[in-house]
Amino acid sequence: SQKIEQNSEALNIQEGKTATLTCNYTNYSPAYLQWYRQDPGRGPVFLLLIRENEKEKRKERLKVTFDTTLKQSLFHITASQPADSATYLCALNRDDKIIFGKGTRLHILP
Amino acid sequence: KAGVTQTPRYLIKTRGQQVTLSCSPISGHRSVSWYQQTPGQGLQFLFEYFSETQRNKGNFPGRFSGRQFSNSRSEMNVSTLELGDSALYLCASSPGGRSYEQYFGPGTRLTVT
Repeated sequence: SQKIEQNSEALNIQEGKTATLTCNYTNYSPAYLQWYRQDPGRGPVFLLLIRENEKEKRKERLKVTFDTTLKQSLFHITASQPADSATYLCALNRDDKIIFGKGTRLHILP
Repeated sequence: KAGVTQTPRYLIKTRGQQVTLSCSPISGHRSVSWYQQTPGQGLQFLFEYFSETQRNKGNFPGRFSGRQFSNSRSEMNVSTLELGDSALYLCASSPGGRSYEQYFGPGTRLTVT
C-alpha cells in the first residue's frame, strides 16, 4: 500500500541554523509533492509545490528537493527562527489523489 | 481575498446525535475537500466536491456525507456520532481540484461524549 513517512519524533534546531525535514514514500509515483505548515489548533498552510521533473524549488528561506529515484523529498529552512516552530506536513499528488504524511514537529530553540 | 471559513469552530455532541459542519471556500475556488485530522491517523481525506458534484471519496463509512451548493459553499454531515468521530475537521478549497495546492480553513473541533 502507499505509504508516506515523516520523522515522527520532534526535531530540535538551534536558532540561525538550517533545519532539514525528510519525507520518504513507497509504492507511489507522485506527479508532484507539496509541503504545508500547521500550527496547533489551526489548518495547514500551503508552502511549496514541486513537480516530478523539478529537482529543487526555493521560496525565500525555504528550499525543497525532490528525488524520484530515492523516493524522497527534503525540506530546508535556512537561518531558522523561533517563529518557524510548527508541524510540517508533506503531501503527494497524482491523478487527482492527494495523500498527506503525519508531519514532523519542528522546534527552533532561541 | 478572504480565506476559507468554517463554522462552527467548536462543537460538543453526544453519541448517536448528528452534526452538520459548514465551509465557505475562497472566492473563485470551485473545489472543496473535507479532511479529518486526529493525532493517531493524521490528516485523512473524506471527500471532494467540484461544481456541486462529489468527485472523489475517501474510505469513510456512509455516516459521513457532504454536499456543495451552487455558490461553492459546502456542508458535511455526520450521522449517528461515535466517540471515535472526535477530531478536527478541516475544509480546504482549491482553484482546480485536489491535485492543486489546498487552502485550508481553521477547522471545526468536534468532541463526541
